Amino acid sequence: KQEVTQIPAALSVPEGENLVLNCSFTDSAIYNLQWFRQDPGKGLTSLLLIQSSQREQTSGRLNASLDKSSGRSTLYIAASQPGDSATYLCAVRPEGTQGGSEKLVFGKGTKLTVNP
Amino acid sequence: NAGVMQNPRHLVRRRGQEARLRCSPMKGHSHVYWYRQLPEEGLKFMVYLQKENIIDESGMPKERFSAEFPKEGPSILRIQQVVRGDSAAYFCASSPTGKGYGYTFGSGTRLTVV
Repeated sequence: KQEVTQIPAALSVPEGENLVLNCSFTDSAIYNLQWFRQDPGKGLTSLLLIQSSQREQTSGRLNASLDKSSGRSTLYIAASQPGDSATYLCAVRPEGTQGGSEKLVFGKGTKLTVNP
Repeated sequence: NAGVMQNPRHLVRRRGQEARLRCSPMKGHSHVYWYRQLPEEGLKFMVYLQKENIIDESGMPKERFSAEFPKEGPSILRIQQVVRGDSAAYFCASSPTGKGYGYTFGSGTRLTVV
């Protein structure tokens, strides 16, 4: 059974700091891995999607890496801003028939607070 | 494109009542997924539907819960005889036909059972 763990559960940093969020998964048989952002009372916003054959993806100040064999992914946020404050969720899509299971397995998230 | 629309945003039900949650997928998306987020927990997969078909309901509780995605209209997640443990945020996501595409999530329905 696939399990996803995110460490730390909460993180508070001063504005401008670079930071790393960690995600680990127990079964390396994944189709892809996705990082989401969740703001309080709102839905999920997809940040980065990494296919199993890729090592990393970048979007602006965000960089996500994937080490499939060791079951790890990191989300790097450069020059953090107060607007980055949110909960960050990691989700894996297990392998399945025809290219991938349709269900995502989520971690519990890391709640990030960036202080001005 | 209005994105994935869920309503209501907040729903309060007394124990024993029925809850109906609606989800309209993005235009052109024919795949709908429901997830539940319990307090202090991650999102858990419930059910995956295509138009008029339930494809995977492995995450659905065996009793009281049902889902449909009719040919016309939104997808409906129905919870009969709600209990306090059903209080959670219920999220709907949609995707286009191909695998490997990222999901697009709605803003969720927050169900409170009193």
